[in-house]
Amino acid sequence: DAGITQSPRHKVTETGTPVTLRCHQTENHRYMYWYRQDPGHGLRLIHYSYGVKDTDKGEVSDGYSVSRSKTEDFLLTLESATSSQTSVYFCAIKQVEGYGYTFGSGTRLTVV
Amino acid sequence: DQQVKQNSPSLSVQEGRISILNCDYTNSMFDYFLWYKKYPAEGPTFLISISSIKDKNEDGRFTVFLNKSAKHLSLHIVPSQPGDSAVYFCAARLSTDKLIFGTGTRLQVFP
Repeated sequence: DAGITQSPRHKVTETGTPVTLRCHQTENHRYMYWYRQDPGHGLRLIHYSYGVKDTDKGEVSDGYSVSRSKTEDFLLTLESATSSQTSVYFCAIKQVEGYGYTFGSGTRLTVV
Repeated sequence: DQQVKQNSPSLSVQEGRISILNCDYTNSMFDYFLWYKKYPAEGPTFLISISSIKDKNEDGRFTVFLNKSAKHLSLHIVPSQPGDSAVYFCAARLSTDKLIFGTGTRLQVFP
């Protein structure tokens, strides 16, 4: 177990409200990622981080922001949630050995 | 533009037979390819990978084949088992340390 935890596991929120999802890792990995999974689209990269305060955009970053003030925490914020952001969100860390990622268990977000 | 494509959304295979999952890509800059397996309500887990300089990698029942000229890779599972029933994602790595995933193929292995 790579020690990666996502919270909350489930959330229902109303359109227009801000939402923050948290990813916490215990192994001091430098690279962290946020993906969303949607039917017919697979996993799409939202934002990623390559160190404290170092972040960059992925394929589907509009409407999302991230912050990484500590190595262990990577936060994803939906500034004003919309129904199109209803999805399952996965956090991942890059493994030290090889090129793979280890994923968290996901956060199911429903925007009503 | 989808750089990594899995054109079969689902596949059904009898237990003990071979499962073949396919993946196509468009970007010749990918240097590493990976397969992930995902069960419901869990995160994807790493299965097997292959470098772009290889054409085959094997790990137990799982073998990945890479055809660079066709920009195509495939995952073979032999023999297939009911526990292999899951969604399989193909992924490709860019040198910028980003993984680009395909849309996934749902494999069902029936008795």
